[in-house]
Amino acid sequence: GDSVTQMEGPVTLSEEAFLTINCTYTATGYPSLFWYVQYPGEGLQLLLKATKADDKGSNKGFEATYRKETTSFHLEKGSVQVSDSAVYFCALRWTGGFKTIFGAGTRLFVKA
Amino acid sequence: EAGVAQSPRYKIIEKRQSVAFWCNPISGHATLYWYQQILGQGPKLLIQFQNNGVVDDSQLPKDRFSAERLKGVDSTLKIQPAKLEDSAVYLCASSYTSSGPMNEQFFGPGTRLTVL
Repeated sequence: GDSVTQMEGPVTLSEEAFLTINCTYTATGYPSLFWYVQYPGEGLQLLLKATKADDKGSNKGFEATYRKETTSFHLEKGSVQVSDSAVYFCALRWTGGFKTIFGAGTRLFVKA
Repeated sequence: EAGVAQSPRYKIIEKRQSVAFWCNPISGHATLYWYQQILGQGPKLLIQFQNNGVVDDSQLPKDRFSAERLKGVDSTLKIQPAKLEDSAVYLCASSYTSSGPMNEQFFGPGTRLTVL
C-alpha cells in the first residue's frame, strides 16, 4: 500500500544552519505531496505542497521539490531559526480527495 | 476566520470507560476528518465526512469507536469502551471540499486522551 517514510529525529541544529529533512514515498501513480508543521500545543499547519513532478513548493523560507525519479520530497531551509523548532510531517494525498497518508514526523530543535 | 475548535483539550479516563470528543469545523467547510495520532507516529485517518455523510471509515474500529456529524456541521467522536492502546491525540480537521484546489485541510489543536 501507499506509505511515506521520513528521517527519524530528533534533528538538532544551531541557528542559521542548513536544514534537510528527508522524505520518500511509495505509491502507485503520482499523488500530491505535502509538508505539515506542528508547533508545541498546536494542530498541524500546511507548510507547503506540490501537486506534480518537478513542482517546487515553498513557504517561509522552506522549500521541497517533487522528484518522481527518486520518489522523494525532501524539505530544506537555508538558515533555520529558533522559532522553526517543531515537528515536521511529510504526507501524500490523491487528488480524488481520498485520505492523506502521513509520515511518522521529524522533530527539529534549533538552538540559539 | 475562526479555526477548527475541539474540546476537551485533555482527558484522562480509566480503561473500559467511555469518552466523547467534540469538533466544530470552520464555517462553510463541507468535509470533516477525524485522525488518531499515537505518540511518535503520524496522524491516521479514522473517518471522513462529506456534509453529514460518511465517505471513508475503513480504519475506524467500529466495535468501540463511533462518530456522527449532526446537520453537517459539528461532529462528535466516541470511544466505548476505551482500551489502553487508545491513548493518543485525536485531531479534527476540515476542508472546504474533499478534492480539487479547495481541499486544503485545516487542523484543530487536538484532544489528548490518556487511558489508565
